[in-house]
Formats: sequence, C-alpha cells, structure tokens
Amino acid sequence: GAVVSQHPSRVICKSGTSVKIECRSLDFQATTMFWYRQFPKQSLMLMATSNEGSKATYEQGVEKDKFLINHASLTLSTLTVTSAHPEDSSFYICSARLTPLSPLGNTEAFFGQGTRLTVV
Amino acid sequence: DAKTTQPTSMDCAEGRAANLPCNHSTISGNEYVYWYRQIHSQGPQYIIHGLKNNETNEMASLIITEDRKSSTLILPHATLRDTAVYYCIVEVSGTYKYIFGTGTRLKVLA
Repeated sequence: GAVVSQHPSRVICKSGTSVKIECRSLDFQATTMFWYRQFPKQSLMLMATSNEGSKATYEQGVEKDKFLINHASLTLSTLTVTSAHPEDSSFYICSARLTPLSPLGNTEAFFGQGTRLTVV
Repeated sequence: DAKTTQPTSMDCAEGRAANLPCNHSTISGNEYVYWYRQIHSQGPQYIIHGLKNNETNEMASLIITEDRKSSTLILPHATLRDTAVYYCIVEVSGTYKYIFGTGTRLKVLA
C-alpha cells in the first residue's frame, strides 16, 4: 500500500513551547490529509481535515489557534501544537487519501506511524 | 458520532478463524465499509473495504449482509501477531472523513 510518513515519531517539549509535526505522503499525492489525536486506551479522535492550498477544517471543540495546520504541497501537511501544555500530551496520527478516480471513489486512507508528544 | 458499533473485546485461539462483527445500521447506499487494525503505539493499518459484495484479499475476508446493515471481518487463520484493536468504519458520506468508534480488542491466544 501507499506510504505515509510522520516525523518525529517521539518528541518531548517544555510547557509553553510549540511543536511541529510533519506528515508526508511518500509515493502519492494527497489533496486531503487528516489529523487525529489518541489518548491512552482510547480511540482515535478526528481533529481536522487538511486541504492542500486552502484552510483546514476543524472538528467541533478543536481550537484552530492551538493546533495550526498547514498543507502547502500535495505531499506535506504539518500540525503545530502552539504553547503546548501537559494536557496536550498525546499520540498524534495523520492519514492521507489517494485522490479518487471518480466522485464516488472508494480509495482507502493510509496512516502515518504516529507521533508521541510529551509536554513536561 | 461513530456510525458503527462493535463488541469491546474478543478472544480467538491461534490458528482458528477470527470473526469480528460490526453493526452499521444507518449506512447509506453509496457508503463503503472499511476495516483497519491498530497494534499498540502504531498508526492504523488498512485491512480491507467493501460496498455490497463480499471481498477477500491476502489479509482477510469481508462479509457484508444483503441489507448492508452489518458486516463481519474474517481472519482465516489467526496468529499471535493479529492481536490488535480492529476498527470498522463507515466513511462520512461525501467528506472522506473517518470517524472511529471504540473498536474490538482482539486477543489471539496461544
């Protein structure tokens, strides 16, 4: 299957600093990428939809000024956690979809390996 | 809200078939059913997806009922490495978004 790569896989930062996480589609172009957050022993929670060349769409309850998303190219989306606090510590996962061949395309999403953020 | 419901956990003996059910009673006519699994501290791994017909690939088989309100993922010969959380997902129509439910924690026993 297609490959989605996240970097870094782990990061520890001090409270009040900002952290940037990269999500790359390595062998395909992705006009749409998604960002999820997962707390221990819980399911993935969709945070936002990242659209190449336009503003991201955030899910209800997710602060757009806290979680800045940039999708500057067809292979790269970044998530910046601004002014991080210990409660932002979590597992952040991105996914990317192959551009469907038709409006009813059924291409599956591919997920990155995740980034474990620890804010101390 | 997730559009699927799954049992919280299941056990399966190594070498036997693992049958994981999923209910998606509100599925629309053009919405696909996707199955992923997540092994601890990794991103979800794609397994299989389908619309109406049963599907099979090298990893698993997907059986979708005629009314499409439920489906079953079948791992024909479970191994210890199949221990994971399995998610059944119906994509939010027209958005390409996945809303994850709680999934089924499958434990394969030696």
